[in-house]
Amino acid sequence: SYELAQPPSVSVSPGQTARITCSGDRSAKQHTYWYQQRPGQAPVLLIYKDRERPSGIPQRFSGSRSATTVTLTISGVQAEDEADYYCQSTDNSGDYVVFGGGTKLTVL
Amino acid sequence: EVQLVESGGGLVKPGGSLRLSCAASGFTFSDYTMNWVRQAPGKGLEWVSAINSAAYFIYYSDSVKGRFTISRDNAKSSLFLQMNSLRADDTGLYFCARSANYDSNAFDIWGQGILVTVSS
Repeated sequence: SYELAQPPSVSVSPGQTARITCSGDRSAKQHTYWYQQRPGQAPVLLIYKDRERPSGIPQRFSGSRSATTVTLTISGVQAEDEADYYCQSTDNSGDYVVFGGGTKLTVL
Repeated sequence: EVQLVESGGGLVKPGGSLRLSCAASGFTFSDYTMNWVRQAPGKGLEWVSAINSAAYFIYYSDSVKGRFTISRDNAKSSLFLQMNSLRADDTGLYFCARSANYDSNAFDIWGQGILVTVSS
């Protein structure tokens, strides 16, 4: 089965840059999506199609993709960014959705 | 306001059944693919099932295939998940989520979730 791997935790100080990676073999057509989930709340879509931001999402959230790695970057981290972050993609057929295990971002 | 509200959760014994509902409002429900996503207590997100706007295409994760059935009533702007042969590892918070009209793999609107507990 197709799997996406994320680091369990990332810690940064306020104002610094946080980078969360999402690893997994994928073709160019298998895009990556990122969600933020604060405690007790539903997930919120942050990034779609690797690097696109839905309306209303602050510019400090950005997505990037290299040949081997997909990364969510949070610039100028704020206390309110402390949350769990999940990457999501699809399998090769594009019909089945897969989530990464999630990364807990701690703002020190 | 665009909104999804789940209902129908609760406590059920192993082997039992439960039917979840998701009421949509604030958008044209019949235009969108819809999904169920669950989250076990203290764990990550797990996609469960998807149904396209006209219910022509339906997909399930391997963990629920053959036990769960997704359906929709576009006239009533409602999404359903019939869950049979429930197991302890089906316990969790179940979210309905809308697929964005600009990318069906992007879940742009989520409900607050409904808790399902499978226990004897």
